[in-house]
Amino acid sequence: DIQMTQSPSSLSASVGDRVTITCQASQDITAYLNWYQQKPGKAPKLLIYDASNLETGVPSRFSGSGSGTDFTFTISGLQPEDIATYYCQQYDNLPYSFGQGTKLEIK
Amino acid sequence: EVQLVESGGGLVQPGGSLRLSCAASGFTFRSYAMSWVRQAPGKGLEWVSGMSSNGVSTYYADSVKGRFTVSRDNSKNTLYLQMNSLTVEDTAVYYCAKDRAIVVVPASPFDHWGQGVLVTVSS
Repeated sequence: DIQMTQSPSSLSASVGDRVTITCQASQDITAYLNWYQQKPGKAPKLLIYDASNLETGVPSRFSGSGSGTDFTFTISGLQPEDIATYYCQQYDNLPYSFGQGTKLEIK
Repeated sequence: EVQLVESGGGLVQPGGSLRLSCAASGFTFRSYAMSWVRQAPGKGLEWVSGMSSNGVSTYYADSVKGRFTVSRDNSKNTLYLQMNSLTVEDTAVYYCAKDRAIVVVPASPFDHWGQGVLVTVSS
């Protein structure tokens, strides 16, 4: 099974900051990597798919990059409504696996 | 508008059974693979099970293999998860999730999720 290691586990940043989260896969997953946002009490929401593609309707301040085993998720200009937990997920192989999550807070 | 509505959760004793349902609308249900994903209280996301769009192929996490059974009724636009031999470790919110792409087997990001249903296993 593929293990996903996400870091940091928590992050505090100010409005307007650039925020970066990383995700490392235990084996090559090419670009089969997604990023989800989950707000408290809500279902996850797909933000980025296939490592770098922005889902329809998602603000352009969200972006993703990487391939193989190393991936990066970036928020360029943090907004108050971005407070959430973010998860990476691989779908190269079943069973799908998620990173442990990054809880983002406003400083 | 795509909607996924889970039901069937609740409190069950260890060793008991429960059947979850996910009623889908707003898209051609029979064309999409579907999955169940769970989240234990205060924990991260765990993929549990998936099913091909045609209902032929099923897939499970090792943690539930042999105890959970996924099924679907494409005539009723509904996905199911039969959960047997439940343990306290199965306590979680269970989400059904739709594949983003029209592929027969699960092989796509999840672009829509239900609101989730809570399953509590406790004596």
